[in-house]
Amino acid sequence: QVQLVESGGGLVKPGGSLRLSCAASGFTFSDYYMSWIRQAPGKGLEWVSYISSSSTHIDYSHSVEGRFTISRDNAKNSLYLQMNSLRAEDTAVYYCARDKDDYGDSWGQGTLVTVSS
Amino acid sequence: DVVMTQSPLSLPVTLGQPASISCRSSQSLVYSDGNTFLSWFQQRPGQSPRRLIYKVSNRDSGVPDRFSGSGSGTDFTLKISRVEAEDVGVYYCMQGTHWPLTFGGGTKVEIK
Repeated sequence: QVQLVESGGGLVKPGGSLRLSCAASGFTFSDYYMSWIRQAPGKGLEWVSYISSSSTHIDYSHSVEGRFTISRDNAKNSLYLQMNSLRAEDTAVYYCARDKDDYGDSWGQGTLVTVSS
Repeated sequence: DVVMTQSPLSLPVTLGQPASISCRSSQSLVYSDGNTFLSWFQQRPGQSPRRLIYKVSNRDSGVPDRFSGSGSGTDFTLKISRVEAEDVGVYYCMQGTHWPLTFGGGTKVEIK
């Protein structure tokens, strides 16, 4: 079955950096677009970024463009999110999701990123 | 950005009774290829979101048939024919037609 496992979250100071990873299994990773979505504590969902199967098509939300970089390694079945210049408002649970038949058909359990001094 | 407006914010329902959630978009969600990329997600307390419906009315695998989606253009609805205890949670609509993808604010379904 499809499994997505995020890691790399933690506590970081404002202006700092963090790299999130998402390990995929149970499907042919290289066939699918993948996305990162976040949810601030007690708030709704916000789409952060997505990447096409061969990394040729990438997009970011306005709030993270220029600071975050999405990437993938199809040989390692892994998705990444490099987050730089982090701000307090980036504090959230970050989910990776597979995009099959539209977006977000399968989600991981999430990893918490806390930006605080 | 496309604004997705859900109503109601909170929906108390009696077990076994129907429930309906509305989602309106600030512009048409019909894509150039004719598809309408409108999805519904369920987030149970303490869990990750789970997609229920994609492209307006297609149920994901394993989703009970008491869930149904309908609508077109800018007006969409998620219906639960008979609410069960496991349906408690927050429901989000999401549009995938225009970047950035945007979610509605959520509707909290609870049992009366």
